[in-house]
Amino acid sequence: DIQMTQSPSSLSASIGDRVTITCRASQGIRNDLGWYQQKPGKAPKRLIYAASSLQSGVPSRFSGGGSGTDFTLTISSLQPEDFATYYCLQHNSHPWTFGQGTKVEIK
Amino acid sequence: EVQLAESGGGLVQPGGSLRLSCAVSGFNVSDYYISWVRQAPGKGLEWISIVYSGESTFYADSVRGRFIISRDNSKNTIYLQMNSLRADDTALYYCARGYYHILSGSDGFDYWGQGNPVTVSS
Repeated sequence: DIQMTQSPSSLSASIGDRVTITCRASQGIRNDLGWYQQKPGKAPKRLIYAASSLQSGVPSRFSGGGSGTDFTLTISSLQPEDFATYYCLQHNSHPWTFGQGTKVEIK
Repeated sequence: EVQLAESGGGLVQPGGSLRLSCAVSGFNVSDYYISWVRQAPGKGLEWISIVYSGESTFYADSVRGRFIISRDNSKNTIYLQMNSLRADDTALYYCARGYYHILSGSDGFDYWGQGNPVTVSS
């Protein structure tokens, strides 16, 4: 099974900060990775697919990068509505696996 | 409008069974794969099962042999039959949609339901 190691598990940041979250796969997964945002009491929402493609309707301050084993999600200028938990998901091979999540909190 | 709606959850005793349903609308379910993803209280997301448009199914190790996913395209509904339930199956269960591209493969999940809670307790 492919393990997804996501870091950090939490971070504190201020409005306007640049934030980067990483996911590392235990083996190569091409670009078969997505990033999801989840707010309390809500279903996850996809931000990025195919590692670097922006989901329609998602603000351009979100960007994804990487291929193979190392991936990043970057928020270029953190906004109040971005405080949430973020997850990566590999869908290269079964069983699919999520990262452990990164909770982004207000500093 | 694309919608997925889970139902069938509730309180069940350890060792019992439940069947979750995921009713979809706004798209042709036969063209998409549907997965179940769960989230235990205060924990992260866990992928547990998928059924492809061609009826292939896959499971997480944690549920294989106990859970069965199926689809009824005529009813636009996906099911998750959960047997031999344990306390650690307690979670909010989501269904989610994705598309399999012939050249590039699966593309994750673009739409999710709102989730349905399952509690396994005596």
